Amino acid sequence: NAGVTQTPKFQVLKTGQSMTLQCAQDMNHNSMYWYRQDPGMGLRLIYYSASEGTTDKGEVPNGYNVSRLNKREFSLRLESAAPSQTSVYFCASLDRGLIQPQHFGDGTRLSIL
Amino acid sequence: GDSVTQMEGPVTLSEEAFLTINCTYTATGYPSLFWYVQYPGEGLQLLLKATKADDKGSNKGFEATYRKETTSFHLEKGSVQVSDSAVYFCALSSGGTSYGKLTFGQGTILTVHP
Repeated sequence: NAGVTQTPKFQVLKTGQSMTLQCAQDMNHNSMYWYRQDPGMGLRLIYYSASEGTTDKGEVPNGYNVSRLNKREFSLRLESAAPSQTSVYFCASLDRGLIQPQHFGDGTRLSIL
Repeated sequence: GDSVTQMEGPVTLSEEAFLTINCTYTATGYPSLFWYVQYPGEGLQLLLKATKADDKGSNKGFEATYRKETTSFHLEKGSVQVSDSAVYFCALSSGGTSYGKLTFGQGTILTVHP
């Protein structure tokens, strides 16, 4: 009954370091998403993957890359972390074609010093 | 592009008070509308949804009606409990080639005191 699993839950980086956030879902969903949550700004879409083998930019993609490794996994990479990327990152998944809610992971809290 | 505007927070209420959180939207076509709730330290959970005009979504005593004429989807609850303290997000999905992408409002922090 895991749903969407994100790792790690917390991470502190120094400016310029790289990091990959992992996300896996066990619901056989086609679409997956990465959001960042900042105070007073709600959640903003970074990248999404409508189906295995495809990825597209969202609202705030600069400074990030993604990989849809297989149907289950969708990773988010920060190549050279900046303090402006301090945020809480959420991964979500959706079964394409249905009017259903997205299912969210519990988030990764990332601090960049 | 699509956008969602929620009332400014935070909102502080006493237990059993009436709750309204306003939400208005701008979207092309006919979006689906959602309210998500986030409890401390957790991810977002769907609270309720509506997929067409005049639909009323309801769950756990919360209600919201899809009003196309006023482009609104206000959240209401008649009697809040301490356990309702959380952050509430209004969101929309435009459907079609949007691939389920959600556009969120900024969130409203609700605190309920005994």
